[in-house]
Amino acid sequence: GEQVEQLPSILRVQEGSSASINCTYENSASNYFPWYKQEPGENPKLIIDIRSNMERKQTQGLIVLLDKKAKRFSLHITDTQPGDSAMYFCAASGGNYAQGLTFGLGTRVSVFP
Amino acid sequence: GGIITQTPKFLIGQEGQKLTLKCQQNFNHDTMYWYRQDSGKGLRLIYYSITENDLQKGDLSEGYDASREKKSSFSLTVTSAQKNEMAVFLCASGTGINQDTQYFGPGTRLLVL
Repeated sequence: GEQVEQLPSILRVQEGSSASINCTYENSASNYFPWYKQEPGENPKLIIDIRSNMERKQTQGLIVLLDKKAKRFSLHITDTQPGDSAMYFCAASGGNYAQGLTFGLGTRVSVFP
Repeated sequence: GGIITQTPKFLIGQEGQKLTLKCQQNFNHDTMYWYRQDSGKGLRLIYYSITENDLQKGDLSEGYDASREKKSSFSLTVTSAQKNEMAVFLCASGTGINQDTQYFGPGTRLLVL
């Protein structure tokens, strides 16, 4: 199986600053690490993902880093805006084809003016 | 693009009742998943299916049955609803290189009286 730890659980940041969320995993065979954003009453939406053949990926104000040696991956939201306020979940795939994702417990991000 | 639909959107049941939740996807994805999300917590895998008529247990399968009647549909049954139970059940389907990129449906919100 897999275990994923996500920190912090709550993150308050000022508009325009950066927000960082860190996750660690246990299974060295895990090779796929997606990030989901969930707004109140909505389903989780995939915002960015990274596979184990990469160390860094960037798209539309989001950066993900993967350190396989430390079994750690992180999401960085640059230039945060009010619309970035939401729950964010990291997840890891156990490395087995079609196996379900193991999710972290989530980070509630609040962006204040 | 495609869409995942879940019915019903809200489900109110009685203690001990057998309740069935349905999920349909038109992505033509092979893999489908059922997750449970409790308030303020991450998602936990109940069942998944890698093809029609296939079923695989997740970490939380006890108390649930599932059925993959055809490629596009995956249903979940709560075999005996627990009093005061309140959770969101999320269906997902998978694609990608290893069929591990998952997209979620809108969810079914369950309340047991």
